[in-house]
Amino acid sequence: GAVVSQHPSRVICKSGTSVKIECRSLDFQATTMFWYRQFPKQSLMLMATSNEGSKATYEQGVEKDKFLINHASLTLSTLTVTSAHPEDSSFYICSARAWWLAGGLSTDTQYFGPGTRLTVL
Amino acid sequence: AQSVTQLDSQVPVFEEAPVELRCNYSSSVSVYLFWYVQYPNQGLQLLLKYLSGSTLVKGINGFEAEFNKSQTSFHLRKPSVHISDTAEYFCAVILPSQKLVFGQGTRLTINP
Repeated sequence: GAVVSQHPSRVICKSGTSVKIECRSLDFQATTMFWYRQFPKQSLMLMATSNEGSKATYEQGVEKDKFLINHASLTLSTLTVTSAHPEDSSFYICSARAWWLAGGLSTDTQYFGPGTRLTVL
Repeated sequence: AQSVTQLDSQVPVFEEAPVELRCNYSSSVSVYLFWYVQYPNQGLQLLLKYLSGSTLVKGINGFEAEFNKSQTSFHLRKPSVHISDTAEYFCAVILPSQKLVFGQGTRLTINP
């Protein structure tokens, strides 16, 4: 259970084009999904929080007009990198939040997709 | 503010040897702690999590971690590693906002 998929796994595009990345929770509903960016040999950097049916919340320093996020259903969130440039080349990873009950407490665990490697030429 | 520190950026060990990957956290409130593993060019896979209850948490692939409140630590251990355990390991804490904060990561390299 708790499987998250991403599509595509790898994309190469020309500078100035837009790229859409899909994140799907396959066997659970996720009211919240998160988008991360990871540079080589570094940790994950949270870009934005995506809530179903509402606008995404972006972290400081992340351009919302450049990284468009849509969370149209309980199982799908998309990240569109608009007018991509070489500096946008990175590994983009999404996660979906699943709720658990443990010892009477409710909390959540994030389940991660396999990532999308974006290369902008 | 809550944060996580992984004390070792790289840990090389020989196959079948035990390993410990260190993680310390700082928090003024109750914490939920996680260990994730990332294989090359892949996303993160949940190894184990501490939410409450027993301080010794067992995860997948033979890993376990112990929550130590007095030392604010959540070290990951495995008694005997395999070549396939070579990966990047991330410790993380969840904020009240439900955002995950990751440590810097520890690269575990298993040598034959």
